[in-house]
Amino acid sequence: EAGVAQSPRYKIIEKRQSVAFWCNPISGHATLYWYQQILGQGPKLLIQFQNNGVVDDSQLPKDRFSAERLKGVDSTLKIQPAKLEDSAVYLCASSLIGDSDEQFFGPGTRLTVL
Amino acid sequence: SQQGEEDPQALSIQEGENATMNCSYKTSINNLQWYRQNSGRGLVHLILIRSNEREKHSGRLRVTLDTSKKSSSLLITASRAADTASYFCATPGYALNFGKGTSLLVTP
Repeated sequence: EAGVAQSPRYKIIEKRQSVAFWCNPISGHATLYWYQQILGQGPKLLIQFQNNGVVDDSQLPKDRFSAERLKGVDSTLKIQPAKLEDSAVYLCASSLIGDSDEQFFGPGTRLTVL
Repeated sequence: SQQGEEDPQALSIQEGENATMNCSYKTSINNLQWYRQNSGRGLVHLILIRSNEREKHSGRLRVTLDTSKKSSSLLITASRAADTASYFCATPGYALNFGKGTSLLVTP
């Protein structure tokens, strides 16, 4: 079974630039999550999709972050414009049903904002 | 927030020893999950224990859950260098909430 795919694996940008991350979850998984993990901390949920609808985006900085999952499969997370404090690893995860299930994580995208 | 908090923050042991890490959380849960993160394999689910379970085993892992104390423990027996990683507990609520993790170092 293929795992959660993410790209790119690494990205370096300057502050005020834009960046986009892509995630393809495990086939058949209804729920998709984007997490931000700052060095030395645990992952923090940014947004949770159930199929193509948003379940929770309460911790997403909506003035600069946006995410979509148009066809209920893959998803894109965008930051525009980026700030220095956005430097982190962005993890995508999926689960079969919801957050009470085991979550399967992708390898992450390490973002460095200079 | 239902965020779990792991203790200790860091743990260093030798191969063959047991490693115990603890997790405390704040509100009622229906399950608690443990994850491992290392540079090689990313974040991986280890075990899920439901609120009506007190103990669960998986290979060299033993997890306990005390809902009255709102705490859980993860025991790794006969540790190996490959167990070196950060370990997180996570509590589902409206979202899966992770603590800051316990950093485990197992030296040969």
